[in-house]
Amino acid sequence: GAVVSQHPSWVICKSGTSVKIECRSLDFQATTMFWYRQFPKQSLMLMATSNEGSKATYEQGVEKDKFLINHASLTLSTLTVTSAHPEDSSFYICSADRGDYEQYFGPGTRLTVT
Amino acid sequence: QKEVEQNSGPLSVPEGAIASLNCTYSDRGSQSFFWYRQYSGKSPELIMFIYSNGDKEDGRFTAQLNKASQYVSLLIRDSQPSDSATYLCAVTFTGTASKLTFGTGTRLQVTL
Repeated sequence: GAVVSQHPSWVICKSGTSVKIECRSLDFQATTMFWYRQFPKQSLMLMATSNEGSKATYEQGVEKDKFLINHASLTLSTLTVTSAHPEDSSFYICSADRGDYEQYFGPGTRLTVT
Repeated sequence: QKEVEQNSGPLSVPEGAIASLNCTYSDRGSQSFFWYRQYSGKSPELIMFIYSNGDKEDGRFTAQLNKASQYVSLLIRDSQPSDSATYLCAVTFTGTASKLTFGTGTRLQVTL
């Protein structure tokens, strides 16, 4: 149990366009979902924490108008990278907490902005 | 600033040896400690977690926690080439519920 999926697994987009990444908890309801970004050879950096039905809490230095997070249900959260630029190219990973204080990670989405 | 620190490595051990991975954290009140393994290009997978002082064993893995020294370690016995990966230490700091702060990770290489 405790499976989290992400879609797409990889995406290439042109600079200036927007990209939406979905994170779903498949077999449990997630009280909280988290979005991370990981650059090559670096650790995971938390971008934001989202709870169903409320606004996401963004970490310091993360632009909330650029990285739009919508947690529409207890099993779905989306991250939209608006007006993407090459420096936004990264590995985006979501995780979900089902209330037992363990985070279950999705497989990640590799974004390349050309 | 609340921090989690790890030696970036690489840590190289021969097959069959014990690999010892270390992690220190800055918040004395931290409650939960996690070890994740991450293969290149993949997302992290949980190896084990520990909440109480002392040792916790799961198969070939042992986590050791010393809250007084603000130190948590992971021992991998009988290391295998498939254990070659980056190992991430993560901590939940006081008052942050399930929010994880990750260390930079230690790259482990198990040689034949």
